Amino acid sequence: QSALTQPASVSGSPGQSITISCTGTSSDVGGYNYVSWYQQHPGKAPKVMIYDVSKWPSGVSNRFSGSKSGNTASLTISGLQAEDEAEYYCCSYAGSSTFVFGGGTKLTVL
Amino acid sequence: QVQLQESGPGLVKPSETLSLTCAVSGYSISRGYYWGWIRQPPGKGLEWIGSIHYSGNTYYNPSFKSRVTISVDTSKNQFSLKLSSVTAADTAVYYCARLGSGLTYFDYWGQGTLVTVSS
Repeated sequence: QSALTQPASVSGSPGQSITISCTGTSSDVGGYNYVSWYQQHPGKAPKVMIYDVSKWPSGVSNRFSGSKSGNTASLTISGLQAEDEAEYYCCSYAGSSTFVFGGGTKLTVL
Repeated sequence: QVQLQESGPGLVKPSETLSLTCAVSGYSISRGYYWGWIRQPPGKGLEWIGSIHYSGNTYYNPSFKSRVTISVDTSKNQFSLKLSSVTAADTAVYYCARLGSGLTYFDYWGQGTLVTVSS
């Protein structure tokens, strides 16, 4: 199991949109529509923002959206807000009830 | 509201066994769902360790399979992690979490507990 590949950092200004990519293989991201995204603020536990590629958990803003093409999944945050500044992790089901996470992407709101 | 709380020693010596427990409140483990452990070394990313069902079915990250044991105690509504032969590389914040419906993502997380491996 190798970690999914995410950019180390992305940035954007308030009100703008940003996209974070998450690249895996046909054994994980490409093989299943079970990618989830987590937001983690410093010193806090991760919080799920998107699951099953593009579904919203209850209470999560629809400014967050997910998609997938081939072996790459993406998280888009529209209308950036200061509170969105955090680390973001993707996670994919990898078969046989196993999971693999990405390395994380630090989002900076300028 | 489902709540999870990790507990266990914050310091473990090299070559010894790391033991943590996750107490669940607001939901009975024996009603279903899978429950898992995820860790995060300081300044690094998340790593899935393994998951367990109340029936005892377990699934482990192949990277840990020879060292890890996850067990469940439905009478205490908690599940546990044991990681043997630890080294400094096992120093991390350890989180317990619940796998959401569909078993494809983690919907509830504990606050995490830091375990340091050092002599």
